[in-house]
Amino acid sequence: QQQVKQSPQSLIVQKGGISIINCAYENTAFDYFPWYQQFPGKGPALLIAIRPDVSEKKEGRFTISFNKSAKQFSLHIMDSQPGDSATYFCAASWSYQKVTFGIGTKLQVIP
Amino acid sequence: EADIYQTPRYLVIGTGKKITLECSQTMGHDKMYWYQQDPGMELHLIHYSYGVNSTEKGDLSSESTVSRIRTEHFPLTLESARPSHTSQYLCASQGADNEKLFFGSGTQLSVL
Repeated sequence: QQQVKQSPQSLIVQKGGISIINCAYENTAFDYFPWYQQFPGKGPALLIAIRPDVSEKKEGRFTISFNKSAKQFSLHIMDSQPGDSATYFCAASWSYQKVTFGIGTKLQVIP
Repeated sequence: EADIYQTPRYLVIGTGKKITLECSQTMGHDKMYWYQQDPGMELHLIHYSYGVNSTEKGDLSSESTVSRIRTEHFPLTLESARPSHTSQYLCASQGADNEKLFFGSGTQLSVL
C-alpha cells in the first residue's frame, strides 16, 4: 500500500513556465515532508522540506504548498529552467523514523 | 557538507557470483539505509540500520544481506547474483536528530 501518492509521473514544461508536482499522504502521524531532486547518475539530494505547522515554504524558485486538512502537498518550481530537468521525489516521515517516498516525477524543461 | 561513498560505481558480473557493495560515511551518522532503484523509478527500501549491530529488512523483500560492524560502514552482500538483481543500489545515511537523508551516488549492478 503506497502511503505517499505522487503525480504526475512525467512532466514537460517550457522554459520560464511553472512546474507543479502533487503528493497526497494517508498517515496523519507524518510530521516532516521533504522533496528530493535526483539528476541522472546521482543519488537524490534534499531540495526543500516543510512541517505541517506551516502552509507554505519558499526557497528561491522552489515553493512547497501544504494542505493539512486535505493531506496534500505540492512542489511549485517558478521560472523553470532546463537545469531543473531531473526526477523529483516527495516523501514523508514521522518522529525521525524511516522515510516513505513517492514514485517520483520525471521533469523535462524544454527551451 | 556530508560525505557518503559507494563503491564500485558500476559492476558487471556473471550469474552465481558473490558480490559486496560498499558504503561508507564520514559523518558519524547512526542511521543508514539501502535503497533499490530501477532506472528513473521509485526508491524501494531494502535494508536499514539504526546503529552498530542493528539491521532490519525494509519494505521490499530482497535476497541481499547487510552488516553493521562499524558506524561508518554498511556493506550489502549478494551471495549468488542473478539477472533479476540488476538494478541501481543507493546507500543513504541520516543523523540522529535530523530527518535529512544524505545519499551516495549509487552502484549500478548488471548481472549477466
